[in-house]
Amino acid sequence: NAGVTQTPKFRILKIGQSMTLQCTQDMNHNYMYWYRQDPGMGLKLIYYSVGAGITDKGEVPNGYNVSRSTTEDFPLRLELAAPSQTSVYFCASSYLGENQPQHFGDGTRLSIL
Amino acid sequence: QKEVEQDPGPLSVPEGAIVSLNCTYSNSAFQYFMWYRQYSRKGPELLMYTYSSGNKEDGRFTAQVDKSSKYISLFIRDSQPSDSATYLCAMIGGANSKLTFGKGITLSVRP
Repeated sequence: NAGVTQTPKFRILKIGQSMTLQCTQDMNHNYMYWYRQDPGMGLKLIYYSVGAGITDKGEVPNGYNVSRSTTEDFPLRLELAAPSQTSVYFCASSYLGENQPQHFGDGTRLSIL
Repeated sequence: QKEVEQDPGPLSVPEGAIVSLNCTYSNSAFQYFMWYRQYSRKGPELLMYTYSSGNKEDGRFTAQVDKSSKYISLFIRDSQPSDSATYLCAMIGGANSKLTFGKGITLSVRP
């Protein structure tokens, strides 16, 4: 039971570099989410998707992009990395509706220097 | 007023203690309430999921919801060192609602 898998686990970027955080789930969940977690700040929703081909902005989308070409995969793209994007990023998925419990991956720790 | 307020902590208790973790909220549209547990360097994992007011018990854990007071609690009985983690409350409800998290409280259970 892999659940939600995120890669890489750690990454250091220089300001202005780009990268893609990968997320894949094997539970056939329709809904997928990207959050960032900063110390003492809880989880903030960046983007979410209700199915393949459909994405929408969350609370803090600036500086990020997403795509959802398959049910399983939901990559998050940082185009021009900035120090403010230093955070821990979590991908999650849920079955059917937004009121359903979300299942989380173990996160990607990203530092922008 | 923030939508979800959670006691900031940290909280340190001796093994065997009863732990009470609390969250208040302001949005009366919230209908579904969850508690997540997050171990260090891991993702949050669902611990409890409730819909209605009242109590829900699962082993040593009890989730309590009081919609009239907009207050939820998680009780941990006979706390163990393995319960040491960060606990996040989360809730959702209403049109186009998204899951809203508290900031989390870090619990340490001393052997």
